[in-house]
Amino acid sequence: AQSVAQPEDQVNVAEGNPLTVKCTYSVSGNPYLFWYVQYPNRGLQFLLKYITGDNLVKGSYGFEAEFNKSQTSFHLKKPSALVSDSALYFCAVRDLGNTDKLIFGTGTRLQVFP
Amino acid sequence: DSGVTQTPKHLITATGQRVTLRCSPRSGDLSVYWYQQSLDQGLQFLIQYYNGEERAKGNILERFSAQQFPDLHSELNLSSLELGDSALYFCASSVERTGNTEAFFGQGTRLTVV
Repeated sequence: AQSVAQPEDQVNVAEGNPLTVKCTYSVSGNPYLFWYVQYPNRGLQFLLKYITGDNLVKGSYGFEAEFNKSQTSFHLKKPSALVSDSALYFCAVRDLGNTDKLIFGTGTRLQVFP
Repeated sequence: DSGVTQTPKHLITATGQRVTLRCSPRSGDLSVYWYQQSLDQGLQFLIQYYNGEERAKGNILERFSAQQFPDLHSELNLSSLELGDSALYFCASSVERTGNTEAFFGQGTRLTVV
């Protein structure tokens, strides 16, 4: 069965520093991977996706993610964090079995301190 | 704005009652997904409809049901409500069933059962 894991419940980073939010996946076949962000009292917003091609994927708000097949990882990164990036981040994988639903990780809360 | 509209935004109801949550997908999107987000269970897939037909079921209780209408809007019906049903319910839509398209989420309906 397809799954993703987010090993960190919370990540703390100072404003201006680079940030990384980790995600590892377990799939049979080629993965379709996604990152979403959830701000307080809001729905999930799509950030970026990896389907095929370049391992470095660029997305919204200056975020990017690196797909690493050998390490089965899809870490979210940003070169310089902003206080406004503080939110809950979810990694997800498409279930390519009998449904194409998104399977989400448990989420990582990113806290950016001024 | 994701283009997915959910109503109502908040709902407070008593145990044993029945409620209906409504979702209007993005224009042109044929797939609708329902998710439940609770603190202890994370984001759980409930059910998916594609062009009016049920496509897949996830962790949906028998007390819950859904449907997608000819105009593609969807409703999630929750009956015999229990305290544990209190959660944020999200609807998402995507343009087709292929795995490489992202899903867009509504802002959710926060259900509180008292």
